[in-house]
Amino acid sequence: DQQVKQNSPSLSVQEGRISILNCDYTNSMFDYFLWYKKYPAEGPTFLISISSIKDKNEDGRFTVFLNKSAKHLSLHIVPSQPGDSAVYFCAASVDSGYALNFGKGTSLLVTP
Amino acid sequence: KAGVTQTPRYLIKTRGQQVTLSCSPISGHRSVSWYQQTPGQGLQFLFEYFSETQRNKGNFPGRFSGRQFSNSRSEMNVSTLELGDSALYLCASSLNRVNEQFFGPGTRLTVL
Repeated sequence: DQQVKQNSPSLSVQEGRISILNCDYTNSMFDYFLWYKKYPAEGPTFLISISSIKDKNEDGRFTVFLNKSAKHLSLHIVPSQPGDSAVYFCAASVDSGYALNFGKGTSLLVTP
Repeated sequence: KAGVTQTPRYLIKTRGQQVTLSCSPISGHRSVSWYQQTPGQGLQFLFEYFSETQRNKGNFPGRFSGRQFSNSRSEMNVSTLELGDSALYLCASSLNRVNEQFFGPGTRLTVL
């Protein structure tokens, strides 16, 4: 049973524009959310996280928004760069505990 | 600081065989988690070890097992391999909790 869902398998954006990646979750016990970025033949790399006590967290070009009532979070990348092309995974945990529940990922392609 | 290392990087086995994968965490990290990545299911949590004790386990059959040594290095074992076990197996280490997890490059297991 997939508790974290990324319903868009792929997304294509032009360089310089905004990329918006979406994620939905079903488990109301989740209280810590993370985004990871993955290049082929490499492990996922941590990008940004947000606690459920916040609704926004920003780090440079990356901003994560959390809507607890809708059980939805999104990652905004502004401006998008070709080097951002990768698979992005949304993940969630309970009490920032020991197990991450991942979505299936969204493949982002940023074209020049 | 050296990252998480996993050996071997690639492995080919046949059905019915068993396999052992190895993970060396970042120096000082005592928590090691294992994940399975497949195209259909995405990234799924297998188990997590801390100070040689399994603290959490995902929803996988008993054929999947693991252990952690006193130097925090971890191994996972899959017995009686099935075709569906073909996947990328990722190891992640952290000081304690998921918000500090760093992933290795993974071991690509192919079962023929």
